Amino acid sequence: DVKVTQSSRYLVKRTGEKVFLECVQDMDHENMFWYRQDPGLGLRLIYFSYDVKMKEKGDIPEGYSVSREKKERFSLILESASTNQTSMYLCASSGTGVGTEAFFGQGTRLTVV
Amino acid sequence: LAKTTQPISMDSYEGQEVNITCSHNNIATNDYITWYQQFPSQGPRFIIQGYKTKVTNEVASLFIPADRKSSTLSLPRVSLSDTAVYYCLVGEEKGTYKYIFGTGTRLKVLA
Repeated sequence: DVKVTQSSRYLVKRTGEKVFLECVQDMDHENMFWYRQDPGLGLRLIYFSYDVKMKEKGDIPEGYSVSREKKERFSLILESASTNQTSMYLCASSGTGVGTEAFFGQGTRLTVV
Repeated sequence: LAKTTQPISMDSYEGQEVNITCSHNNIATNDYITWYQQFPSQGPRFIIQGYKTKVTNEVASLFIPADRKSSTLSLPRVSLSDTAVYYCLVGEEKGTYKYIFGTGTRLKVLA
């Protein structure tokens, strides 16, 4: 069974902290994605990576960075957490090619206080 | 980028067929249309995908007219467990397939 695993289900951090959200996939997928989901706004793409050490900005990259040192792991970094980054964060992975199915993790609900 | 437009919400009763329509007027020639389902506190999961005409699987059917400017997801005989948010996606092919989700349609199935 395919799996995308996010390191935490719930996380509470303080304003100004550096926050790492980790995601691991076991499907040898080339592509990995980070989204945030807020009520009324749907899922918005933050960053995606199409290969190790390769990344591209999504629609809302401000305040975030990413790291992909190994194919199976994609990390989302909040350099200095702020309260407006309180959200549900979802990681996904997919193979190559148009129309390839994306597999999602369970999500991390981050609260910044 | 082909933007999609869906109804914000729909209500239905158990046993009914539900049709959710998505508009994508700027769809490109090579774009596929994909639908995802998301239950509360879970990540989205793939339901069905098509390019033109009709596609059917064990979960749903997808109807795409000849001009491909819209598509309709059809869920036969819904149950309470089909209550979820349904997203319509249109592929953007620029080297990497990016999954651009809209706000989705919140389907509530009533007993």
